[in-house]
Amino acid sequence: NAGVTQTPKFQVLKTGQSMTLQCAQDMNHNSMYWYRQDPGMGLRLIYYSASEGTTDKGEVPNGYNVSRLNKREFSLRLESAAPSQTSVYFCASTGLRTYEQYFGPGTRLTVT
Amino acid sequence: DAKTTQPPSMDCAEGRAANLPCNHSTISGNEYVYWYRQIHSQGPQYIIHGLKNNETNEMASLIITEDRKSSTLILPHATLRDTAVYYCIVRDSGGYQKVTFGIGTKLQVIP
Repeated sequence: NAGVTQTPKFQVLKTGQSMTLQCAQDMNHNSMYWYRQDPGMGLRLIYYSASEGTTDKGEVPNGYNVSRLNKREFSLRLESAAPSQTSVYFCASTGLRTYEQYFGPGTRLTVT
Repeated sequence: DAKTTQPPSMDCAEGRAANLPCNHSTISGNEYVYWYRQIHSQGPQYIIHGLKNNETNEMASLIITEDRKSSTLILPHATLRDTAVYYCIVRDSGGYQKVTFGIGTKLQVIP
């Protein structure tokens, strides 16, 4: 099992550009999440998906959209990137029995 | 989900036990305590969780007080590789939750 994978690992965008961060899990998990982590801060939830076909807002959803493409994949889109979105983005999924979260390696995004 | 309080930082000598406290005084009866750690800039890693009984696995032990208002994560023989930020989370047993990670405890293991 690869677990939770994320692409790309690094990205630099100019203000106003758009991009999609990809996340996939091969553990047959129902729930998936997107977090952002800024220096010296904990993880803040952007969006989550309880199951295929459903998505819901977390703490900091403004400026982002998500798509739960199928059970495996959950993507995060920045339509018009802003410097305030410079951050490390983590995708996670939730275990089936004991509900622990499994995290991907992160995408380091810089918006100039 | 109940809120948790952790000290921002702790030091531990290599080879000694590291005891990381967490206060969750507003925990409700169906909420579990979960611990994660984040090494450098990697994704957080699940360590252990429990409801009211003490738990142990290959990574750590979790001690939950009888009133469940606090818990302690114990790394029995800390190594330099245990230097990380440790997060204490409380959540109920539902599969999808708006789980909140605070700033955690930065554990520095000292040679």
